[in-house]
Amino acid sequence: GDSVTQMEGPVTLSEEAFLTINCTYTATGYPSLFWYVQYPGEGLQLLLKATKADDKGSNKGFEATYRKETTSFHLEKGSVQVSDSAVYFCARSGGFKTIFGAGTRLFVKA
Amino acid sequence: NAGVTQTPKFQVLKTGQSMTLQCAQDMNHEYMSWYRQDPGMGLRLIHYSVGAGITDQGEVPNGYNVSRSTTEDFPLRLLSAAPSQTSVYFCASRVDTGENYGYTFGSGTRLTVV
Repeated sequence: GDSVTQMEGPVTLSEEAFLTINCTYTATGYPSLFWYVQYPGEGLQLLLKATKADDKGSNKGFEATYRKETTSFHLEKGSVQVSDSAVYFCARSGGFKTIFGAGTRLFVKA
Repeated sequence: NAGVTQTPKFQVLKTGQSMTLQCAQDMNHEYMSWYRQDPGMGLRLIHYSVGAGITDQGEVPNGYNVSRSTTEDFPLRLLSAAPSQTSVYFCASRVDTGENYGYTFGSGTRLTVV
């Protein structure tokens, strides 16, 4: 079946470091791809999305590009802040079902 | 605009008890779903609905029932609680087109079955 694979965490970075969180997906059909963020004690919030190949989603300094040739949707940020500490989920959506990755916890140290 | 509202936020049940987790949205979204979140496993789809009167199973439907009598409400029923159902439950609604395409999640219900 369809799946999403994310790099395992936790990822620990110092403030202002560069962030990459890897995500790959199964290529069945023409899925839309998403990154969601979850802060402690809260539900998931949509961070960014891309609906077709080569689209770049961006929001709050985060960005990810829909790469069909490598079935990837890696999340990047040039300079992380302590406030970016959270769990990040990659997701693929096709039809009625959205499949989420296992999540990657990010810790940012001051 | 309240978005997606889930109640209760916390619940402890004894094995064998039943209960209903409530979910309501005020965005007129046709699509609603229930997920459970377990450590290291991400979110797994329990049931979903594409509109009032229409529901279907997700990945892990056993032990749960849903109904959708109105666009706004999508309750999740645990028929006979088991310790394996200890989890955090999220309700989400979705719009499928336009710039807001994506899920809106509730804040979750943390359920413990003892």
